[in-house]
Amino acid sequence: GDSVTQMEGPVTLSEEAFLTINCTYTATGYPSLFWYVQYPGEGLQLLLKATKADDKGSNKGFEATYRKETTSFHLEKGSVQVSDSAVYFCALSERGRDDKIIFGKGTRLHILP
Amino acid sequence: GAVVSQHPSRVICKSGTSVKIECRSLDFQATTMFWYRQFPKQSLMLMATSNEGSKATYEQGVEKDKFLINHASLTLSTLTVTSAHPEDSSFYICSARDSARSMNTEAFFGQGTRLTVV
Repeated sequence: GDSVTQMEGPVTLSEEAFLTINCTYTATGYPSLFWYVQYPGEGLQLLLKATKADDKGSNKGFEATYRKETTSFHLEKGSVQVSDSAVYFCALSERGRDDKIIFGKGTRLHILP
Repeated sequence: GAVVSQHPSRVICKSGTSVKIECRSLDFQATTMFWYRQFPKQSLMLMATSNEGSKATYEQGVEKDKFLINHASLTLSTLTVTSAHPEDSSFYICSARDSARSMNTEAFFGQGTRLTVV
């Protein structure tokens, strides 16, 4: 079945460091890909998405490119801030499959001032 | 963006009792809503897909009689944890998509419900 694998955390970085959180997926069709963020004590918010190969999603300085050839959707940010500390989830949703969203296990990010 | 309201945000109940969690889409209609369970430091596990006006579709390993789902209107789905046990303690999250938009658009998530069974 469909699945999402992302790097395990926690990831601890200093403020202004470069961030990469790896994500790869397995799907039978052509899924849409998402990154969601969960701040402490809150629900999930969509961070960015990409619906087809080579699309780049971006928001709040974060970027991820849909790479069909490597089945990847790595999350990057050039300069992280303390306020970026949260749990990040990579996810996919495949057309015609009840619109279910399949999540990775999440990566906890700590940014030190 | 669209808002999904989940209530209550936190509940403590005694073993053997039942707890109902509500999930409402406030400014859009959702023919389908999803219920997830999140264990500490783990990902979201999809429990079931709630379909308006019909039976919910449960994921493998999820007890239908334990987790009752009702989707009586286009803006409301409820999850009832019956005969709760301490192992049911968890963070439950619902999500919904806007039925008026095409598939594969973002899903909106509720704030989650922290259930503690004592």
